[in-house]
Amino acid sequence: GESVGLHLPTLSVQEGDNSIINCAYSNSASDYFIWYKQESGKGPQFIIDIRSNMDKRQGQRVTVLLNKTVKHLSLQIAATQPGDSAVYFCAENMHSGNTGKLIFGQGTTLQVKP
Amino acid sequence: DADVTQTPRNRITKTGKRIMLECSQTKGHDRMYWYRQDPGLGLRLIYYSFDVKDINKGEISDGYSVSRQAQAKFSLSLESAIPNQTALYFCATSGRDRTPQHFGDGTRLSIL
Repeated sequence: GESVGLHLPTLSVQEGDNSIINCAYSNSASDYFIWYKQESGKGPQFIIDIRSNMDKRQGQRVTVLLNKTVKHLSLQIAATQPGDSAVYFCAENMHSGNTGKLIFGQGTTLQVKP
Repeated sequence: DADVTQTPRNRITKTGKRIMLECSQTKGHDRMYWYRQDPGLGLRLIYYSFDVKDINKGEISDGYSVSRQAQAKFSLSLESAIPNQTALYFCATSGRDRTPQHFGDGTRLSIL
């Protein structure tokens, strides 16, 4: 079946370095993608999204890149801070009618070392 | 997201009990969702509703039921709880299609 997956379960980076979290998706019909951050004891928090008619979108300290050719999504965090430590999920929305249903990956844990 | 409120935040109960988890939102969104989160499995969709008269099954609806009492309220029930329903449960809302879903802080449910 279709699935969204993350390449690494845990990523450890030094404070101040840039972080890159990757996500592979298998559904070529997906046309909308979201990155979420989940801190311990809290629900997923929206970070940034991107539609399939774009290949890059920037937010505050974050950039999402979409490569539809190889079905790959990445989240780049600039100047990683201790507060960025969390689990990061990618999610895809299939372009199938108007369902609005998301399929989530299993998550990557980002650890920021001081 | 404080605009999506889940109650209770924690619940411990026994096998066979009926349990209701509640969700309310002040975002004015039409669409509401219930997810379950297990370690290593990410978020899985249980039920979703696109308006007050609309209820749809997600990928893991067996053993669960929902009620959409109003635009702002969406409750999840476990009719007869079993231990493998022990998990984190999240409610989410969204506006029109292809917009982000916004999540509550979850209910940690333990079934003994």
